[in-house]
Amino acid sequence: NAGVTQTPKFRVLKTGQSMTLLCAQDMNHEYMYWYRQDPGMGLRLIHYSVGEGTTAKGEVPDGYNVSRLKKQNFLLGLESAAPSQTSVYFCASSRGLFQFFGPGTRLTVL
Amino acid sequence: GQQLNQSPQSMFIQEGEDVSMNCTSSSIFNTWLWYKQDPGEGPVLLIALYKAGELTSNGRLTAQFGITRKDSFLNISASIPSDVGIYFCASGGSNYKLTFGKGTLLTVNP
Repeated sequence: NAGVTQTPKFRVLKTGQSMTLLCAQDMNHEYMYWYRQDPGMGLRLIHYSVGEGTTAKGEVPDGYNVSRLKKQNFLLGLESAAPSQTSVYFCASSRGLFQFFGPGTRLTVL
Repeated sequence: GQQLNQSPQSMFIQEGEDVSMNCTSSSIFNTWLWYKQDPGEGPVLLIALYKAGELTSNGRLTAQFGITRKDSFLNISASIPSDVGIYFCASGGSNYKLTFGKGTLLTVNP
């Protein structure tokens, strides 16, 4: 099993550009999450999903959108990237409280 | 929202020394989790605690769920260079969202 995978691993955007980060899990987990990690800030929840076709806002949702069309995939979109969105993004999935994390995507917005 | 206060923020120790870090909250939680993040990777679950007063070990790691259900600590004995990384505490009440501490950055000098 691959667990949780994320693509791409690295990306550089210019301000105003858009992009989509893809998360995939092969553990048949119901719940999926997107976090951002910034120095000294820990992990902050952006959006999450409790099942296929459902999404909800987390702690820092502004500037991001998500979709969960298939149970195994959770997409994070940035419609108009800003320098404040420079961060490392982690996807996670779970059946309950134990969350399993992907390797992360390092995004730089110039 | 709920917050976890994790301390210390960083630690610099010599190989072979013992390490202790803790996490406190103003809220009561039913579960405490400890994760470790290796440099450039996603967090990995180390230990899960379910009952107040519970003491659980995983190799050289020992964690305890505080009696008041508002705190937890993690000890690492006889540290080695591969213990380097960021350690996060996390707690949850509902079965699909976690609150994370800001992390303790551990550096081990050989």
